[in-house]
Amino acid sequence: EIVLTQSPGTLSLSPGERATLSCRASQSVSSNYLAWYQQKPGQAPRLLIYGASSRATGIPDRFSGSGSGTDFTLTISRLEPEDFAVYYCQQYGTSPTFGQGTKVEIK
Amino acid sequence: QVQLVESGGGVVQPGGSLRLSCAASGFTFSSYGMHWVRQAPGKGLEWVAYIPYDGTNKHYADSVKGRFTISRDNSKNTLYLQMNSLRAEDTAVYYCAKLFESGGNYGMDVWGQGTTVTVSS
Repeated sequence: EIVLTQSPGTLSLSPGERATLSCRASQSVSSNYLAWYQQKPGQAPRLLIYGASSRATGIPDRFSGSGSGTDFTLTISRLEPEDFAVYYCQQYGTSPTFGQGTKVEIK
Repeated sequence: QVQLVESGGGVVQPGGSLRLSCAASGFTFSSYGMHWVRQAPGKGLEWVAYIPYDGTNKHYADSVKGRFTISRDNSKNTLYLQMNSLRAEDTAVYYCAKLFESGGNYGMDVWGQGTTVTVSS
């Protein structure tokens, strides 16, 4: 099983700041199989990024993904109030796994 | 609009059984693989099971293998999860999610609102 480790666990930032979230895999992951999700309290997850760097339909361009191999990054260029949430990376292999999540909270 | 609606959650005793349903609408259900994903209270997301569009080659997380069965009825646009021998650690919100595939890239692009399963005596 591929283990995904996200860091930091919590990111305290102010609106307008840049957020950089990390996802490290225990073994190499094809970029095709790396996705990012946003989850707000009481809501289902929402697909943000697929293929490591492609934005899903309707996702603002302040969200961007990058990386390859074992190291992937989600960047939010300028935090909007609605961006404060928990973010999960996911590898989509035969047995998909999720990272433990990074909470982006208001400082 | 594209929608997934789960049902069937509830409170069940350890060792008991429950069947979850996920009704799909707004897309051609029979063309897409489907997943179940769960989230224990205050915890992260855990993938549970996957079934391809045609119901053939199913996959399960090790934590549920042999106890849970994923199935689908394409004539009813409905996905199921039969859960047997339930344990306290199966307590979670269960989401169904639609397979997303584009140019060899994969993800889960449509999610239901979730149904809560509580295993407790």
